Amino acid sequence: EVQVEESGGGLVQPGGSLRLSCAAFGFTFSSYWMDWVRQAPGKGLEWVANINQDGSDKNYVDSVKGRFTISRDNAKNSLYLQMNSLRAEDTAVYYCVRDRRNFLVRGVIITRAQFDSWGQGTLVTVSS
Amino acid sequence: DIQMTQSPSSLSASVGDRVTITCRASQSITSHLSWYQQKPGKSPKLLIYVASSLQSGVPSRFSGSGSGTDFTLTISTLQPEDFATYYCQQTYSTPLTFGGGTKVEIK
Repeated sequence: EVQVEESGGGLVQPGGSLRLSCAAFGFTFSSYWMDWVRQAPGKGLEWVANINQDGSDKNYVDSVKGRFTISRDNAKNSLYLQMNSLRAEDTAVYYCVRDRRNFLVRGVIITRAQFDSWGQGTLVTVSS
Repeated sequence: DIQMTQSPSSLSASVGDRVTITCRASQSITSHLSWYQQKPGKSPKLLIYVASSLQSGVPSRFSGSGSGTDFTLTISTLQPEDFATYYCQQTYSTPLTFGGGTKVEIK
């Protein structure tokens, strides 16, 4: 069964740092793009960052550029999000998401993102 | 960045009703649109990809249509388990933006 499990959330002061981890199970992790998506309390979904299979291509939403770094360790089937200079507006549940772009699905290869598996999320609270 | 606008932001409906949610992109995204369902306290679930393709395991009462800038998600016969919040997402270009969500509530 395909599973992704986040960990590492918690309470941190403004300006502080936190590293989120995501463990992947039940699929060939090194074959997939992976993403982070967040959801502030009571709010909608916001895509944060993604990374390609070998880590050579990374993309970020403007609000986290220069502060957050996405990375992966394919030998450990793990995805990470290093979050520095945290702000109150970064408070959210952070989801690890598998992106099945470029896979054959029902006879068709879709070249754009498709978020087909989500973790349960880990809560990050930035507050003094 | 491509802005995604969903309407309505909420709706009340009864079991058995036909429900339609719309999503508009600020520029053409061809057919690169996904729909997700999220229930309270749960993570989102992929329903529809590339505008009209039904994700495996999703009931056939869900359907998607549209291309370019205007898209719809239709639930043909609303079931009790369909009361949730629905989000559209453009997958045409980064940042991969979501609509604001549509909460489907029990009438």
